[in-house]
Amino acid sequence: ETGVTQTPRHLVMGMTNKKSLKCEQHLGHNAMYWYKQSAKKPLELMFVYSLEERVENNSVPSRFSPECPNSSHLFLHLHTLQPEDSALYLCASSQDLGGSTDTQYFGPGTRLTVL
Amino acid sequence: GIQVEQSPPDLILQEGANSTLRCNFSDSVNNLQWFHQNPWGQLINLFYIPSGTKQNGRLSATTVATERYSLLYISSSQTTDSGVYFCAVEPGSSNTGKLIFGQGTTLQVKP
Repeated sequence: ETGVTQTPRHLVMGMTNKKSLKCEQHLGHNAMYWYKQSAKKPLELMFVYSLEERVENNSVPSRFSPECPNSSHLFLHLHTLQPEDSALYLCASSQDLGGSTDTQYFGPGTRLTVL
Repeated sequence: GIQVEQSPPDLILQEGANSTLRCNFSDSVNNLQWFHQNPWGQLINLFYIPSGTKQNGRLSATTVATERYSLLYISSSQTTDSGVYFCAVEPGSSNTGKLIFGQGTTLQVKP
C-alpha cells in the first residue's frame, strides 16, 4: 500500500542522538497513530491524533515526542533513547475515530536500532 | 484492561490446505479488525468485523460478539499467505481509536 508512507525505513542511532521519524498519509484521513512493535510482543499503541489534536498518550516515556502539524503528517521525535527502544515503529491512519471509520491503514514502518 | 488471545500461536500448512485462526477477547468491543503482516513488516488490513460475517476472496471472517470471539478462515492457502495474522480490538467503552492487539498467529505455507 502507498497510502501511508514512512521515512526513513531503517535508522541506527546512538543513545545521545536526536532523530525524527516521519509519516505521511495520502488518504484524506483525519486520525493518525504511532505504534511500537518489539520482538516477541504485541503491537503497542503509543499516540493517537485526531484533527491534529492528541487524544491518546499511552504512558509513553518523554524521550518520545510526537508532533502533528496537519492531518496528513505525523512525526515522532526521538532523543536520548535506550537500547530497549529498538523496535519497528509503525504509523497508521483512519478516516475518523469510532465505528467503521476507525479502520486503520498502516505504513511500512521504520526499523529503529539504538546502539 | 481487555485481553486479546489468539490461537494457535504458530501454524504450518501445505499449499492448498485450509485453516482457521481464532481470536478471543475478554470484554465487549466496538471495533475488531484482522491484519496480515508480511515478512517485510507491512501490516495489511483484512477485515473490519465487530460482528457478523464477511468474505473477501479466499479469506472470510466471522465475529460472534455475544460470545467474544472471532474466526479468520483461509481457504486454499498459498505461499504468499505466510506471515503473522493479528486480531485487534477497541474496547466498547473507548472511542479513541485505541486498538489492543493480540500476540498474533504466525503462519507458514509450504509449497
